[in-house]
Amino acid sequence: NAGVTQTPKFQVLKTGQSMTLQCAQDMNHNSMYWYRQDPGMGLRLIYYSASEGTTDKGEVPNGYNVSRLNKREFSLRLESAAPSQTSVYFCASRTEPSTDTQYFGPGTRLTVL
Amino acid sequence: GDSVTQMEGPVTLSEEAFLTINCTYTATGYPSLFWYVQYPGEGLQLLLKATKADDKGSNKGFEATYRKETTSFHLEKGSVQVSDSAVYFCAQTGGAGGTSYGKLTFGQGTILTVHP
Repeated sequence: NAGVTQTPKFQVLKTGQSMTLQCAQDMNHNSMYWYRQDPGMGLRLIYYSASEGTTDKGEVPNGYNVSRLNKREFSLRLESAAPSQTSVYFCASRTEPSTDTQYFGPGTRLTVL
Repeated sequence: GDSVTQMEGPVTLSEEAFLTINCTYTATGYPSLFWYVQYPGEGLQLLLKATKADDKGSNKGFEATYRKETTSFHLEKGSVQVSDSAVYFCAQTGGAGGTSYGKLTFGQGTILTVHP
């Protein structure tokens, strides 16, 4: 049981490049989330998906898009990376029935030059 | 809107010292409250939680009590170890009921370093 997995673990981009961060969970959870972690700011929600086929904006969605490919996978895309998107990105999924507990992946450290 | 405020860090303690990390929240309704821990180079792990007023969450010697009257959820441990060195995050779910979809609002995190 791998839990929540994320790829890649590290990535360096140039300004304007695009990339997709991948996330998968094998716990049969309905809800999945993408957060970014910046020093002194905790984690902030970018997008979430309450169930397969649905996505909604979180606190800081600008510059990002998401796809809930199926129940297991939830990807985050940066169409035109900017230095302000340098951050650590975490994917999470939530237990069902709802106990509000989220399980986090190991994170992707992204640097945009 | 909903928010979480943690005490300023970093916190540096000697082994076996008493730990308190303060956390207060603002919310509409009655959120669930959480403490997550992040060890170096890893993702976040749930440490403990409480889902209603006066509940006490506990795990690995850590405790926190959901205080509705003071809107607080302070983390405590009686005797810290070097292995407790990590970043600790207080968090809440939205108190708006089912439409919140379990979204977490985090505090800024507190870095704890424990010296032998």
